[in-house]
Amino acid sequence: ELKVEQNPLFLSMQEGKNYTIYCNYSTTSDRLYWYRQDPGKSLESLFVLLSNGAVKQEGRLMASLDTKARLSTLHITAAVHDLSATYFCAVDPYTGTASKLTFGTGTRLQVTL
Amino acid sequence: DTEVTQTPKHLVMGMTNKKSLKCEQHMGHRAMYWYKQKAKKPPELMFVYSYEKLSINESVPSRFSPECPNSSLLNLHLHALQPEDSALYLCASSQEGQGHPMNTEAFFGQGTRLTVV
Repeated sequence: ELKVEQNPLFLSMQEGKNYTIYCNYSTTSDRLYWYRQDPGKSLESLFVLLSNGAVKQEGRLMASLDTKARLSTLHITAAVHDLSATYFCAVDPYTGTASKLTFGTGTRLQVTL
Repeated sequence: DTEVTQTPKHLVMGMTNKKSLKCEQHMGHRAMYWYKQKAKKPPELMFVYSYEKLSINESVPSRFSPECPNSSLLNLHLHALQPEDSALYLCASSQEGQGHPMNTEAFFGQGTRLTVV
């Protein structure tokens, strides 16, 4: 059974600081996605990582994938309050059919002034 | 258009009621999904439809009954639910990855907040 773990579960950081969220998963996969969720809202797609060594950047967020280590990271640079949300990684083990996403535990990010 | 539309946004139902959740997408995706999300937890997969056929049922109780009338529509019929079924129900769609690795990024609807009383 695929297990996906994120750490930390909760992150309080000051504006302007940098930090990294980690996503570890238990079985081989080269398809990993990052989503953002605001309270009471749905999931917004942030990054699609489809190969070992993939790196994507959007604004203050950068995501990477190391399939050998079964690890993805989401790096936050110079955090701003608008980034406060819950961030999920999700792994698709690819069984040759439709996606079967298993989500990580989520990291609740709170950016304070 | 990368939109997945779900109706209703909110639903309150009694334990003896029958109701349906609806989901629609016009991205040409041939895979559609139902996820359930309890408060402060990650989404959990319930059902997967691939080319309008049910391909995955994650051991969901029979009081939840999915239906895929065509490639754009997905329904979830609800009957005799329990209060613990109260949650956010998310519909998603993606390209279908059969036969070769490809981007199966899932696009999510806004969800239906369901309360069972």
